[in-house]
Amino acid sequence: GPKVLQIPSHQIIDMGQMVTLNCDPVSNHLYFYWYKQILGQQMEFLVNFYNGKVMEKSKLFKDQFSVERPDGSYFTLKIQPTALEDSAVYFCASRGTGENLYFGSGTRLTVL
Amino acid sequence: GDQVEQSPSALSLHEGTGSALRCNFTTTMRAVQWFRKNSRGSLINLFYLASGTKENGRLKSAFDSKERYSTLHIRDAQLEDSGTYFCAAEAGGSNAKLTFGKGTKLSVKS
Repeated sequence: GPKVLQIPSHQIIDMGQMVTLNCDPVSNHLYFYWYKQILGQQMEFLVNFYNGKVMEKSKLFKDQFSVERPDGSYFTLKIQPTALEDSAVYFCASRGTGENLYFGSGTRLTVL
Repeated sequence: GDQVEQSPSALSLHEGTGSALRCNFTTTMRAVQWFRKNSRGSLINLFYLASGTKENGRLKSAFDSKERYSTLHIRDAQLEDSGTYFCAAEAGGSNAKLTFGKGTKLSVKS
């Protein structure tokens, strides 16, 4: 089936540094999402993005977070600066004209 | 409290048997998706339902928006069905913003 790729699967970064999480969504998909899962908790919505704009964001999407997809390349989540509480697994998802959301395998972010 | 309550949290089945997973919603949801997370961490799409039931092989799912629940039935369980199953519901007008349940960890044993 359609695949969303997230590389790398794990990133380790020092608190205060910037990190960019990359997502290669399904080709021709139009809607893009980031979800966050803290260890032991369920996945929670962060943001959705369409036509170059943030459509909706949750309370978890702090001011230090930003998303973009320049020129149809990777859909990225940037955190600047990182904080300890940003440690989590971040899942990217995309959707085309259909209704199914397709998820990547996640990037585990560890902030030291 | 949680908008999506998933049960059971863990389930053990012998090969060839079946059971049902359930998600209850505290508010009216427009649609539900069911996923299985495999050993590599990939979320596999199982079903998307806006109403009624769908069946795919040994899996069958139902969604009742009015009664605020969805179920996933597994029959004739196989070893490869092991994994964590999640329901995720979409509220009306939410542009596919999903609220996830906490998951059901299924272990199928020979």
